[in-house]
Amino acid sequence: DIVMTQSPLSLPVTPGEPASISCRSSQSLLHTNEYNYLHWYLQKPGQSPQLLIYLNSNRASGVPDRFSGSGSGTDFTLKISRVEAEDVGVYFCMQAIDTPRITFGQGTRLEIK
Amino acid sequence: QVQLQQSGPRLVKPSQTLSLTCAISGDSVSSESVAWNWIRQSPSRGLEWLARTYYRSKWYNDYAESVKSRITIYPDTSKNQLSLQLNSVTPEDTAVYYCARASGIAATNDYWGRGTLVTVSS
Repeated sequence: DIVMTQSPLSLPVTPGEPASISCRSSQSLLHTNEYNYLHWYLQKPGQSPQLLIYLNSNRASGVPDRFSGSGSGTDFTLKISRVEAEDVGVYFCMQAIDTPRITFGQGTRLEIK
Repeated sequence: QVQLQQSGPRLVKPSQTLSLTCAISGDSVSSESVAWNWIRQSPSRGLEWLARTYYRSKWYNDYAESVKSRITIYPDTSKNQLSLQLNSVTPEDTAVYYCARASGIAATNDYWGRGTLVTVSS
């Protein structure tokens, strides 16, 4: 299975400040169609994971433009330009290049300082 | 709007069978443009994909190697739902179980059920 490694695992952020989460995969997620099969999810407290970013850099419907995804191959980053209180939760990266054997990162817990 | 309503027992005894159902509204279990997954989450194993079913002129199923010998996913077109059976459970199967729809070229899990916490204990 492809191993997904996130850092940091805990991320305290002051509201209005930027935040960045790293995700590395044990194999390249770059498909022959030139898309990176990497998605980002946010799991808010007590809720199911919700899709934030798909195919590395595409925001899901309703996701604010303060969220952005970048990277290629095995190294990816989720950035929040200005953190708001509603952004608290656990962020997961997920690879889909090996579908159906999708795998997730361990999660990064974002908290407000 | 797609909605996935999960149901099933929340307490299962060791060695017995875990059974969960996911009722689908806003889409069809037999849609030829999506797939349906079961995923579980536990503190020790994180988010773990378990099984997938999808229809492309006929039904296809895939299973994670870790549970392949004791898991079954099956669609019920008459009720527009999918179900999961996991046999011979142990306390290590204690987790929150989710059903999720996968769509698009990269099988993005774009809709998730609310999750069912299943505890395996005598």
